[in-house]
Formats: sequence, C-alpha cells, structure tokens
Amino acid sequence: DTAVSQTPKYLVTQMGNDKSIKCEQNLGHDTMYWYKQDSKKFLKIMFSYNNKELIINETVPNRFSPKSPDKAHLNLHINSLELGDSAVYFCASRVTGGGEAEQFFGPGTRLTVL
Amino acid sequence: GDSVTQMEGPVTLSEEAFLTINCTYTATGYPSLFWYVQYPGEGLQLLLKATKADDKGSNKGFEATYRKETTSFHLEKGSVQVSDSAVYFCALSINNNDMRFGAGTRLTVKP
Repeated sequence: DTAVSQTPKYLVTQMGNDKSIKCEQNLGHDTMYWYKQDSKKFLKIMFSYNNKELIINETVPNRFSPKSPDKAHLNLHINSLELGDSAVYFCASRVTGGGEAEQFFGPGTRLTVL
Repeated sequence: GDSVTQMEGPVTLSEEAFLTINCTYTATGYPSLFWYVQYPGEGLQLLLKATKADDKGSNKGFEATYRKETTSFHLEKGSVQVSDSAVYFCALSINNNDMRFGAGTRLTVKP
C-alpha cells in the first residue's frame, strides 16, 4: 500500500563513513526527488530525476551521489559523511505532464552523524 | 526567481482558536499554489491546492484562496484542534514544474 517508502528510517553513523538511503515509489511516477530538511524544518531540494536522468543538482557537494536503477527507485549515496550532513532526508515523486504538479513524499530518513 | 514567503513561526494557539498562516508568492508566470502539512515524525502531505486565481482549496476544515491581486494564498481554519499541531508549508509550481517551498510555519495548539 505504501506509496513512497524509504529505508532506513533512522541512520546513526560516524564521521567519515559512507552510507546509502533507499527510496522506492509504487505510484508509476516518472520524476523523483531528494530533499534535505534541517533542524529548523527548512526544506532544500537536492536532486531531481526524470526517467532516470538527473535534471537538477542544486549545488550539492559531490559527496552526495543519487543513483536511479529504474523509474521506481532513487537511492542516495553519501561519501565521507560530515557533521553537517545530519538532517532528515526526504524522497518524493510526481508524474510529469498531465497537469498535476503535486509531489508525494516518503516518511523521511533521519541521519545523525557523530 | 519564483518563490514563496510565509509567516515565521512558531504559532501557538489555544484549542478552538482561529488560525491564519500568511503566504505570499513571487512568480513570473501563473503558478499553482499548495499547502502541505508535516505532522511530527512524518513526511509532507498535501493539505490543499488551487490552480488558478480565485480558486479556493479546502480540506479538513482548512481553506486557502488564490488571490492574484495580492499574490497571496493564506491558510485559514476556523477552529483548530490539538491534532492540527504540525509544520505547514506553502508551495508553488509554475507550469506544473518543480515546486518551490516556503520555510515552513510550526503550529502548536494547546488544550
């Protein structure tokens, strides 16, 4: 039943480690996003993928690399984690065309870097 | 560029009080406007939307009217409940492209 799912829900790790967050949507959407939400709840778009092609990269450090094996999945790999990477990361998806801009969000992954 | 500005929080109200959260937008074209709600520990959910001037979006007792003349989309509810405590985001989309979100407004409703 879940529309947009993310794993893991919580991730605690040490500085310098490499980690991945996974996202899957079963809505048949063709565009997926990664957002970062800081402690003040400000939402910043990181990446957008349309039909497996990167179309936005909002000045995110290259330690962050999105990977989309197919239209239903958009994973986020983070190298050499830093304290400032601690945040909640949200995946979202939408359908392009069809006159609807609504995005559907996953439940979030809370990343804590120690 | 296209953007939304919403009132800074936090907003604290007593149960059954009237709620207004202001949102104004700047856009080069004719945007669709949205309000999303984020309950504690959850992702964002669409609360309501309006796609053209003078449209009113409504859901769960919340309303917002697309006002082109004042470039606004203020969120209102006549009587808030404790369960409405959440963070509310105003957003816009031009030509059904990617969204621009406001900074979010935290609402706390006390019994």
